[in-house]
Amino acid sequence: GENVEQHPSTLSVQEGDSAVIKCTYSDSASNYFPWYKQELGKGPQLIIDIRSNVGEKKDQRIAVTLNKTAKHFSLHITETQPEDSAVYFCAASLSGNQFYFGTGTSLTVIP
Amino acid sequence: DAGVIQSPRHEVTEMGQEVTLRCKPISGHNSLFWYRQTMMRGLELLIYFNNNVPIDDSGMPEDRFSAKMPNASFSTLKIQPSEPRDSAVYFCASSLGTGSQPQHFGDGTRLSIL
Repeated sequence: GENVEQHPSTLSVQEGDSAVIKCTYSDSASNYFPWYKQELGKGPQLIIDIRSNVGEKKDQRIAVTLNKTAKHFSLHITETQPEDSAVYFCAASLSGNQFYFGTGTSLTVIP
Repeated sequence: DAGVIQSPRHEVTEMGQEVTLRCKPISGHNSLFWYRQTMMRGLELLIYFNNNVPIDDSGMPEDRFSAKMPNASFSTLKIQPSEPRDSAVYFCASSLGTGSQPQHFGDGTRLSIL
């Protein structure tokens, strides 16, 4: 099956700085890569996703890049704010419904 | 629009008791997933359904766990008998269509087995 690795496991940044979280996957057939944000006591919430036919996607302060050759994808958050503090998960999906999740990155934005 | 609804939000029970977790997926979604989240193992897929039919239950840890989806708007995850190591947060998620589609999660059930 697919194996997704995520780094770093914890990340602290000053408010206003950028944060980057990286994931690698093992199965070249994976074609869908969502990112989730999980706040304390809540379920994971989808924040952005990208499909394998696209190299980059942006939504305001959030962007995701995908390098299919290297089998890695990254989440970029610019102008970080305290409310960005949360745990972020990447995932990869093959043609079916099943997602393979990374182990999560705990992001702390220091005011 | 209503999201995925799970109940109860918290459950504390004694070892050996039966536990039933409930999930109402987003209306119109035809895939439903049960996950377990722990610090040690992260997010683990337990089972998923497509059009109310279980597709892959290879993540169900033991025979003590069972899941049903009697109709498109309701699913249960049952643990009988429960054990302390079952303590975790259990999430339900749903998605629309086949193929790779976004999964939408509920806020989970925090289960503590004493």
